[in-house]
Amino acid sequence: AQSVSQHNHHVILSEAASLELGCNYSYGGTVNLFWYVQYPGQHLQLLLKYFSGDPLVKGIKGFEAEFIKSKFSFNLRKPSVQWSDTAEYFCAVIGSSASKIIFGSGTRLSIRP
Amino acid sequence: NAGVTQTPKFQVLKTGQSMTLQCAQDMNHNSMYWYRQDPGMGLRLIYYSASEGTTDKGEVPNGYNVSRLNKREFSLRLESAAPSQTSVYFCASGETVHPSTDTQYFGPGTRLTVL
Repeated sequence: AQSVSQHNHHVILSEAASLELGCNYSYGGTVNLFWYVQYPGQHLQLLLKYFSGDPLVKGIKGFEAEFIKSKFSFNLRKPSVQWSDTAEYFCAVIGSSASKIIFGSGTRLSIRP
Repeated sequence: NAGVTQTPKFQVLKTGQSMTLQCAQDMNHNSMYWYRQDPGMGLRLIYYSASEGTTDKGEVPNGYNVSRLNKREFSLRLESAAPSQTSVYFCASGETVHPSTDTQYFGPGTRLTVL
């Protein structure tokens, strides 16, 4: 069965620190990968996605993620976080010809000003 | 554009009561989705509709029914609410008919408590 693990439930950083949020998945086939973000009081929205091609994908607000097939990982990174990055981040996986997306449990990111 | 709207925002039910959660999108999207979000479990897909006139079960469909009323509206019905259905419910829509490549646009959520 497919699954997604986000091992960091709550991450606390100071402004300007570098960020890496882990996402590992279990799936026996080709996958499409997503990161969604939910800012306080706002709707969930897409941060970035990977379907194929360059495994390093760039998203909005300076975020990027790297797909490492051998490690079944799709970690989210940002070189220098800002207070406005405080949010909950969700990794999601779906088989490239499947119909049911699986979300991870989410990582809450708190940024100290 | 309002995007994806959900009603109501909050609801308290007693065990055994029924209710329908409403969702509408004004983006002319083909696919629509219903999720529930529980602490520590992320979002779990309840049902989805890849296009008008079709619906399919997701990961946790038991206890729920859905209706894709037209291209804009996708409702979720709880026939006999149980405390285990206490959750935050999110509706989403997507541009394509292929869930595997869809960017999903989410509504604000409905917080449901079943006593």
